Amino acid sequence: EAGVVQSPRYKIIEKKQPVAFWCNPISGHNTLYWYLQNLGQGPELLIRYENEEAVDDSQLPKDRFSAERLKGVDSTLKIQPAELGDSAVYLCASSQYTNQETQYFGPGTRLLVL
Amino acid sequence: AQTVTQSQPEMSVQEAETVTLSCTYDTSESDYYLFWYKQPPSRQMILVIRQEAYKQQNATENRFSVNFQKAAKSFSLKISDSQLGDAAMYFCAYRSAQTSGSRLTFGEGTQLTVNP
Repeated sequence: EAGVVQSPRYKIIEKKQPVAFWCNPISGHNTLYWYLQNLGQGPELLIRYENEEAVDDSQLPKDRFSAERLKGVDSTLKIQPAELGDSAVYLCASSQYTNQETQYFGPGTRLLVL
Repeated sequence: AQTVTQSQPEMSVQEAETVTLSCTYDTSESDYYLFWYKQPPSRQMILVIRQEAYKQQNATENRFSVNFQKAAKSFSLKISDSQLGDAAMYFCAYRSAQTSGSRLTFGEGTQLTVNP
């Protein structure tokens, strides 16, 4: 079974430029998460989707960050415009919609804003 | 709000020896899940072991086992017969059982070095 797929793996951009990250969850997983991981810290949730619905986006900086999950499968996280402080690893995870769910993570996208 | 604390930023162990990583958490809930994830330099978060709070028996996965002390809110990871491939950052994480799919709350991580 394929795991969570993310692309790109690495991205270098200049500040004020837009950037987008893509995630394809494990087949059959209804819940999708985007986490932000700063250097030397544990991941923190940005947004959680249950199917197409964003059910927890309280930590998403909505002035510059946006996300979508069309058709309840793939998801895209966008930053516009990017700032120097956005340099981090962006992790996508997915889980089945059950009470026994475990979250499985993708390899992450490492963003460097210059 | 729940918090997770890992008081050991770095640990080291000799190959084939045993090491224990510490984790404490704070919650007012009675039902929850605890996890240990491993993150090698590739940055992929890999699930090591999972514990349900309602289970008294400590979880084990091959060389990995936990010591879950619910009253003390402690959840340590023991790695037996350490291997070079165990070297990584280890994160302890908490998830409430009240809401399906709720967020994971992570600790700060412990960097484990395995010496040959």
